[in-house]
Amino acid sequence: EIVLTQSPGTLSLSPGERATLSCRASQSVSSSYLAWYQQRPGQAPRLLLYGTSTRATGIPDRFSGSGSGTDFTLTISRLEPEDFAVYYCQQYDNSPNTFGQGTKLEIK
Amino acid sequence: EVQLVESGGGLVQPGGSLRLSCAASGFPFSLYSMSWVRQAPGKGLEWVSYISSRSSPIYYTDSVKGRFTVSRDNAKNSLFLQMNSLRAEDTAVYFCARTSGNHRTPFDYWGQGTLLTVSS
Repeated sequence: EIVLTQSPGTLSLSPGERATLSCRASQSVSSSYLAWYQQRPGQAPRLLLYGTSTRATGIPDRFSGSGSGTDFTLTISRLEPEDFAVYYCQQYDNSPNTFGQGTKLEIK
Repeated sequence: EVQLVESGGGLVQPGGSLRLSCAASGFPFSLYSMSWVRQAPGKGLEWVSYISSRSSPIYYTDSVKGRFTVSRDNAKNSLFLQMNSLRAEDTAVYFCARTSGNHRTPFDYWGQGTLLTVSS
């Protein structure tokens, strides 16, 4: 199974700053099959990006994704208060599909 | 509006059984594949099972094979997860999630989850 390792574990930033979250795969993942989710406390995960860089319905353009092979990045250009949450990457290229352990984005 | 509402969670003793349900609305349920994803307390996400729109194919993560059975009733817009031989490590919030296509597509809508606790 493909193991996804996210870094950092916790990221402390202020509203208005730029956030860069990393997801590294234990083997190559097609960029067509990499997604990012946001999970706020007590809520269900929400799909942000799929196919590495395509925003899901209703996702603002401050969220962007990039990467290929084993290294992928989620960037939030200007943090809004509602962006402080846990973010997970997921690969659905190989079975079983797997998630990273998450990056917690907290207010500094 | 797409809605997924899970139910059926609760406290079960090790070795026991439970059936989770997920009621879907706001989209043509019979046309979509569905999955169950779980999250142990304070932990990350783990995919559990996938069922296609017509109930074949079906897939499971290795740790639940032979113990869990996923099914659906398209006439009633419902998804189910029958869980047998439950273990402490099955304790988690169980989410049902819509898959936008086949098993190689992301989960585009999620329910709020139902908590299963396996403990004596």
